Amino acid sequence: NAGVMQNPRHLVRRRGQEARLRCSPMKGHSHVYWYRQLPEEGLKFMVYLQKENIIDESGMPKERFSAEFPKEGPSILRIQQVVRGDSAAYFCASSPRATINTGELFFGEGSRLTVL
Amino acid sequence: SQQGEEDPQALSIQEGENATMNCSYKTSINNLQWYRQNSGRGLVHLILIRSNEREKHSGRLRVTLDTSKKSSSLLITASRAADTASYFCATDEGGSYIPTFGRGTSLIVHP
Repeated sequence: NAGVMQNPRHLVRRRGQEARLRCSPMKGHSHVYWYRQLPEEGLKFMVYLQKENIIDESGMPKERFSAEFPKEGPSILRIQQVVRGDSAAYFCASSPRATINTGELFFGEGSRLTVL
Repeated sequence: SQQGEEDPQALSIQEGENATMNCSYKTSINNLQWYRQNSGRGLVHLILIRSNEREKHSGRLRVTLDTSKKSSSLLITASRAADTASYFCATDEGGSYIPTFGRGTSLIVHP
């Protein structure tokens, strides 16, 4: 059973370009969480999605950032018109059901975005 | 939003010694989890303790939870160089469904 797959692992963009980060959850998992991690810091929650629905996007900046989790295919975190401050590691995690019941999240290896 | 805070921020010990990390939080929780992150990698779940539990063991790991003090501790016994990593606690406020993470404790175990 493959784990959470994120790609690309590393992405370099120039200011003003778009970044698309993909996450395929573990098989059978329908809940996806995106977190951002800056160097030497913890993970900051961005958005929580279930299939075709955004459940909570309270941690995501209102502008330039969007996320989706379509019926078919991976979850996508999209950052438009990137700025240097967007440079970070972006982690996706999945769970089979709401974590209030089970708690455990399964993380991918992250996508490291560098904005030049 | 609520966030667990780990203490100390950094810990350096010799192989064979025990390592203790603490986590404090602000409001009521359903459960508290500990995760480990090796440099450049994703987080790996270590152990979950529910709010009605006081202590839990898994191999060389021992986790305690004191809800009256709103704190938890992670003890790694007989540490190994391979335990070198960052350790994070994650909490969810009562009724929430989103685990929130602290800044972590960076553990270095010298061989």
